[in-house]
Amino acid sequence: GAVVSQHPSRVICKSGTSVKIECRSLDFQATTMFWYRQFPKKSLMLMATSNEGSKATYEQGVEKDKFLINHASLTLSTLTVTSAHPEDSSFYICSAKIGNTIYFGEGSWLTVV
Amino acid sequence: AQSVTQLGSHVSVSEGALVLLRCNYSSSVPPYLFWYVQYPNQGLQLLLKYTSAATLVKGINGFEAEFKKSETSFHLTKPSAHMSDAAEYFCAVSLEYGGSQGNLIFGKGTKLSVKP
Repeated sequence: GAVVSQHPSRVICKSGTSVKIECRSLDFQATTMFWYRQFPKKSLMLMATSNEGSKATYEQGVEKDKFLINHASLTLSTLTVTSAHPEDSSFYICSAKIGNTIYFGEGSWLTVV
Repeated sequence: AQSVTQLGSHVSVSEGALVLLRCNYSSSVPPYLFWYVQYPNQGLQLLLKYTSAATLVKGINGFEAEFKKSETSFHLTKPSAHMSDAAEYFCAVSLEYGGSQGNLIFGKGTKLSVKP
């Protein structure tokens, strides 16, 4: 089946720095990708919808200047957490849509120290 | 607005026992409901989905779920647990009436442990 790959799976960064997480659809072209965030013991929360070649659509309460999403090609979307703070530490997971089916990546654990 | 409630953040069963993971939803329109499983260090994998066809939905790995409108429930079951079923399970509802899984509202997840 279709595969979505995220990289890195785990990353530790210093407070104030920026970190980029990649989401790739390995064997299909995804016009739409989604970014989710999961806090400990909480639900996965949709952060933004990313459409290839256009600006991402952010959910209410998500800072677009802090969580930069770029979907430059049909197989790659990136999430950049800018000026990271410890409260940004979380599990981030992407998904890619083909037709009416969604495939999820493995997720990325971000720890900001 | 749609929402999903999963009862029990952690469920433990013995191998061979019945697995029952509970999910209740609220939705202002006919919902599209999903169960996903996440094994350690892996992405979310679709187990099954309800898209207004049969109310009893069969999924992969012997799992099934029944849509009960009167109870606003979509509980996941498996007659006999296997050690390999140990994972985290997420119930989700789709925001889009058309049935696309585009925007999903997830429950908090239930971690299933299977004892030998």
